[in-house]
Amino acid sequence: GQQLNQSPQSMFIQEGEDVSMNCTSSSIFNTWLWYKQDPGEGPVLLIALYKAGELTSNGRLTAQFGITRKDSFLNISASIPSDVGIYFCAGQLSDREYGNKLVFGAGTILRVKS
Amino acid sequence: GAVVSQHPSWVICKSGTSVKIECRSLDFQATTMFWYRQFPKQSLMLMATSNEGSKATYEQGVEKDKFLINHASLTLSTLTVTSAHPEDSSFYICSARRPMNTGELFFGEGSRLTVL
Repeated sequence: GQQLNQSPQSMFIQEGEDVSMNCTSSSIFNTWLWYKQDPGEGPVLLIALYKAGELTSNGRLTAQFGITRKDSFLNISASIPSDVGIYFCAGQLSDREYGNKLVFGAGTILRVKS
Repeated sequence: GAVVSQHPSWVICKSGTSVKIECRSLDFQATTMFWYRQFPKQSLMLMATSNEGSKATYEQGVEKDKFLINHASLTLSTLTVTSAHPEDSSFYICSARRPMNTGELFFGEGSRLTVL
C-alpha cells in the first residue's frame, strides 16, 4: 500500500528552539495536511497545502508542499510547552482509484523541556 | 470550534456486548465520513469509508460484520462494534470533509473503547 515516511519519530527539544519534521513518499500527492494530536483527543488540522511549492504559515507554524509533490515539511518556531503532542502528516493521493482517502505518516512525538 | 463530534468519548463494556459510537458533522452535510482506529503511540489506521445512503467500503482486513457502519443521514454516521472482545479495545476516530472540498479532513474527538 501507499506509505509516508515521517521523521523524526520523536524529538526532545529545549523550549524556545525551532523544530523541523518532514514526510516523504515515493508516491505523488495532490494535497498535504499536517495535524497535531493531544493525548486522548482527535487530530486537529494545523495546515493544509494544495500546490507544489506552496509555503503556508499558521502562527509559529510553517509548512511547505515539496516541488516534486512527494514530500512536505513542517517547522515550528520558538517552541513552547503546549507544542507537546504528536504531529502527523497526511497526504491525499492524486489517484482517483484511491478515492480521495488520506495516507498518514507514523507521527512525530514532540516533547519540550521547560 | 469543532466541526465533527463523536459520542461517547469513552466507553467501558463487558466482553460479548455491542457498542455504538456516533459521529456527527456539526455545521455541514457529509456524504462521506471515515472511521479510523488508533493504537497507543501509533498512527491512524483507516477502517472504512462511510457513504450516506449506501454500504460502507471497508479496508482490507477489517471485518464488516464485526464493525457495522450506518450512515443514515447526511450528518450522522455510526460505528457499532459487535460482540466486542478485549482485543477490540482501542481509540476510534471519525472524520469528514466539507462538501466541495476534497482536501481538508476534520476529525472528531475520538472514542476510547475498553472491553473488559
